[in-house]
Amino acid sequence: QKEVEQDPGPLSVPEGAIVSLNCTYSNSAFQYFMWYRQYSRKGPELLMYTYSSGNKEDGRFTAQVDKSSKYISLFIRDSQPSDSATYLCAMRGGGADGLTFGKGTHLIIQP
Amino acid sequence: NAGVTQTPKFQVLKTGQSMTLQCAQDMNHNSMYWYRQDPGMGLRLIYYSASEGTTDKGEVPNGYNVSRLNKREFSLRLESAAPSQTSVYFCASSSIMNTEAFFGQGTRLTVV
Repeated sequence: QKEVEQDPGPLSVPEGAIVSLNCTYSNSAFQYFMWYRQYSRKGPELLMYTYSSGNKEDGRFTAQVDKSSKYISLFIRDSQPSDSATYLCAMRGGGADGLTFGKGTHLIIQP
Repeated sequence: NAGVTQTPKFQVLKTGQSMTLQCAQDMNHNSMYWYRQDPGMGLRLIYYSASEGTTDKGEVPNGYNVSRLNKREFSLRLESAAPSQTSVYFCASSSIMNTEAFFGQGTRLTVV
């Protein structure tokens, strides 16, 4: 079993819908949780990061972390065609030893 | 503000050739990382440098070497390229205190 599991999709939804993206993980040492957006042939771009359990909101984006269930989510409200991209979850422990990524979910927002 | 800059953007190598991928960051970050991204495999850590003067292996270090030249620059070297090293390579940096990692735009490497 991989440390971080993420459904690769593709996930296709109509414009304006609420999108839910999720990851599960197995390593209880993870403390910092991030979501990255990656457009085709570009580098990952940080969207959200959260420390430990809880919710964080930024505009149309909400990140949730449930450490007891080892489950993290990203919600996108009022989805736009420009949100079409691959979304990567990432997480790390307390040191500087790099991020562990999910494989990414390919999201398509249909106009 | 350039952030993380990688060179070159594209490269084609023949099997057995060597090359160095360059990375520089202008955010005064302590930690730097090299990842590779392959279809169906996600991003995997090759090497990282927690601070200037230190380097450590990540998940997939075989066939690679790194040099933390100074606080700004972290290079990745392929001594004898193999087709299995065909991938997109990303450099990233982060501050120890601030845990987000910021990525460069990637180097697309093809080994034939």
